[in-house]
Amino acid sequence: DAKTTQPPSMDCAEGRAANLPCNHSTISGNEYVYWYRQIHSQGPQYIIHGLKNNETNEMASLIITEDRKSSTLILPHATLRDTAVYYCIVRGGAAGNKLTFGGGTRVLVKP
Amino acid sequence: DAGITQSPRHKVTETGTPVTLRCHQTENHRYMYWYRQDPGHGLRLIHYSYGVKDTDKGEVSDGYSVSRSKTEDFLLTLESATSSQTSVYFCAISATGGNVGNTEAFFGQGTRLTVV
Repeated sequence: DAKTTQPPSMDCAEGRAANLPCNHSTISGNEYVYWYRQIHSQGPQYIIHGLKNNETNEMASLIITEDRKSSTLILPHATLRDTAVYYCIVRGGAAGNKLTFGGGTRVLVKP
Repeated sequence: DAGITQSPRHKVTETGTPVTLRCHQTENHRYMYWYRQDPGHGLRLIHYSYGVKDTDKGEVSDGYSVSRSKTEDFLLTLESATSSQTSVYFCAISATGGNVGNTEAFFGQGTRLTVV
């Protein structure tokens, strides 16, 4: 399974964009990049996923580098409710449909 | 929210007793998963299912068994609970898509299990 590397924590200011990096240098051509977040002890919440093109939905944007070895999740206008642990996950390919979680990035949005 | 119900939501049990957790879905999704999460850690996959009666082990399957006799239910059993199995257990579901890995997975709200 491709592994991901994320910073353990980061702060951002309320109302500003939050840019969360993720490295996945061993990703294979048929594996997808997924982002989930977990608020307190709730079940993880799906945010967005992509293969090689940039993706945007109502929650966030996903920017994947051309070589696919890294990606950035962008929360365009962070609110206090975005405080959570954010997980970057590589899924698909030989590993099938399993989701393998790493340590994630603990994001604290400050007023 | 995706139609996933975990039961019970909270349980306290004694060491050595059997425990069964249930995950019920109303989405008719093919894939179902059981994860555990311990304080300060990410989620770890216990078992997963890719169809009725089709299951496979995850990274922390020792001490756990699963069964899936119908699409909507995925049961996780601790045959003889131990204190090390005190954890929060999450169920997830996902559909099949055109390409493997191209459909999002949705998670339940978790079951908090304490083994005393």
